Amino acid sequence: NAGVTQTPKFQVLKTGQSMTLQCAQDMNHEYMSWYRQDPGMGLRLIHYSVGAGITDQGEVPNGYNVSRSTTEDFPLRLLSAAPSQTSVYFCASSYRPGPLDGYTFGSGTRLTVV
Amino acid sequence: GQQLNQSPQSMFIQEGEDVSMNCTSSSIFNTWLWYKQDPGEGPVLLIALYKAGELTSNGRLTAQFGITRKDSFLNISASIPSDVGIYFCAALNYGGSQGNLIFGKGTKLSVKP
Repeated sequence: NAGVTQTPKFQVLKTGQSMTLQCAQDMNHEYMSWYRQDPGMGLRLIHYSVGAGITDQGEVPNGYNVSRSTTEDFPLRLLSAAPSQTSVYFCASSYRPGPLDGYTFGSGTRLTVV
Repeated sequence: GQQLNQSPQSMFIQEGEDVSMNCTSSSIFNTWLWYKQDPGEGPVLLIALYKAGELTSNGRLTAQFGITRKDSFLNISASIPSDVGIYFCAALNYGGSQGNLIFGKGTKLSVKP
C-alpha cells in the first residue's frame, strides 16, 4: 500500500514554462487536495476535489489548474510558471470530504522557478 | 478568512524537558488536529481531537481541544532528539461539501542533545 505518491520530487523550471505535478493515491480516498508550503507561511490550500469530476478552488488558486478524471489521480498544472510559484507542493487525501481522521500527505515536490 | 495563530514560532529545548505549544483562533472549530513534519517529508498526523474539552494522548504527546472550541494545546513530555521537526496545528469545520483543513504556520522544535 503506497499511500499518496507525488512525482517528481524535485523540479527546476524557467519562467513561462509549463508542467504538471502528479499525485496518485491507492486508498480509494474521495477527497484530494493540493497545498503549497512556503517558509513562515505554513500550508495553504490551492485546489481540492471531493470526488472524480468535482474540483474547487482553495485559498491560493491563481496560476494553477486541476482536474480529477479518476478517483486515484489529482494532477496540478502550472500553465506558465512564475518565480512566485517556487515552493514545496504537497498533495493530500482523505476518505471523505470532512477529513475527520486528518489527511494522508505525500512526501512533496520541491519546485524552483528561475 | 479564518486563521490559526500558532505559538511559539520556534523553540530550543534541552533533551528531557517538556514542551508546550498552542494554537488559537477567533473562529470556532469542530475538529483540531496536530501534525509533525520531518525534513523533506510531508506532515504526519499525531493526534486528532473531536470534542470540546477532550484530552488525548499518543505516547509522550498530549493534546487538548479547548473548551471554547477556539484553541488547542500540544504537550510533549521528556523530549528526545527525534522530536525535532515542525509541528502544525490544523482545524476544521465540517459540513456541506467542503470541510477543508486550515493550518497554523508551525512551531519549529530543535532539541539540544
